[in-house]
This record gives sequence, structure tokens and C-alpha cells, in this order.
Amino acid sequence: ETGVTQTPRHLVMGMTNKKSLKCEQHLGHNAMYWYKQSAKKPLELMFVYNFKEQTENNSVPSRFSPECPNSSHLFLHLHTLQPEDSALYLCASSQESPGPYGYTFGSGTRLTVV
Amino acid sequence: AQSVTQLGSHVSVSEGALVLLRCNYSSSVPPYLFWYVQYPNQGLQLLLKYTSAATLVKGINGFEAEFKKSETSFHLTKPSAHMSDAAEYFCAVTTNTGNQFYFGTGTSLTVIP
Repeated sequence: ETGVTQTPRHLVMGMTNKKSLKCEQHLGHNAMYWYKQSAKKPLELMFVYNFKEQTENNSVPSRFSPECPNSSHLFLHLHTLQPEDSALYLCASSQESPGPYGYTFGSGTRLTVV
Repeated sequence: AQSVTQLGSHVSVSEGALVLLRCNYSSSVPPYLFWYVQYPNQGLQLLLKYTSAATLVKGINGFEAEFKKSETSFHLTKPSAHMSDAAEYFCAVTTNTGNQFYFGTGTSLTVIP
């Protein structure tokens, strides 16, 4: 257990479905992140939240909608996805800024869009 | 801005041989540097980090890395590879005022029995 919990671990969804990914941390961190990891591609930063406020949206399509109700929870709402959105979605948390502490990652959600 | 380059997307070593994974960084201010390991279908796990203290950093599982400012490098080494070291390794950089990491593209390590 890494301290950052992601659910579900695996998700298969149709292109017309709506689903949500959940991330939870109880490390006392104030920043949370969503990353997309596709095969043969670098890690892609999607969203950054600091103290529940979104501070970074890395040109992510609107079919991905993040939500951060408090510093311990982060959601990624998904709707009308495309097959190319199939990937491993990683959540991470850190102190206010990564600084010398680094990220703590969850185990990821493997998403398959059919 | 910062960036990281990992030379060699795939590295193969024999069991018991030296592991050397290369990482070069670019940063206009003093960097913090990290190595992460990722096993299949898992998240990234911190191996070690450099935060401006000792330049030779020891991490978990027998890995270590040396920060060389003159070469802008932070290569990861392990004297003797074990089968369980087979994984994807990522180098990352941030700074004291940065709000995100910049990751390299990763190096896949294969250990041959």
C-alpha cells in the first residue's frame, strides 16, 4: 500500500458511457495530480490541484473532467471517450509543491475504451 | 523550464552484471532529481532522490545515483542485477519553486538469467 489509493484498478467502458476514477490519500499532502500513461509514450501531466484549486490543465480534452472536493480526494470524470484514451491513469500527491519530497503515486487505473 | 533525457529506451543486462541507466537533465536553477521504478500495471515507486545534500545518493534495492553538476547527469547504477530489477525506470526533475515534475521517457530494464 503506497498511501495513495486508486479505484477501480481496471475499467472497461464504451464510448457512450460515463464513469469516474477515484483517488484518495491520507498522507497530509495538499497537491494532487492526474497523469496519463500510454504505451510507448512519456507520462503526460493532465491536471494539478493545490489546496483543492486547479492550478494546471495541460490542454486536456473536455471529455475529461476533474474534481477535487478536498485535499484528500481527487476524481476524474469520464464521458464520451475515444479508443485512444485507453491508458493507465495515475494519481499522485505531494506537499504543496513537489520540492525535495517528490510524488507518491497510486497503483493506477487501467482504462480500456471499447 | 526543466527537462530530462534518458538515453536508451531499452537496456538489457545479465543477472549479476552492472546496471547503468542514464539520465541527463536541464535546469536553469538548482534541481531536485529523482529516480522512480514502475513494475507492470503498477504506479511509480520512489527509488532515490537528490536534494542538494550528498552528491552520491543511495536508494532502495541496492540502487544508487551520483549527481554530477558539470555533466548535468544523474545516472542510476546497481553493482549486481537481480531478476527482480526488471522494470521501467523513470528519471524526473523539479526545483524548489516548481509545481510539477518533468519526467524522462523511461528506460525498460531487462535482466537475462
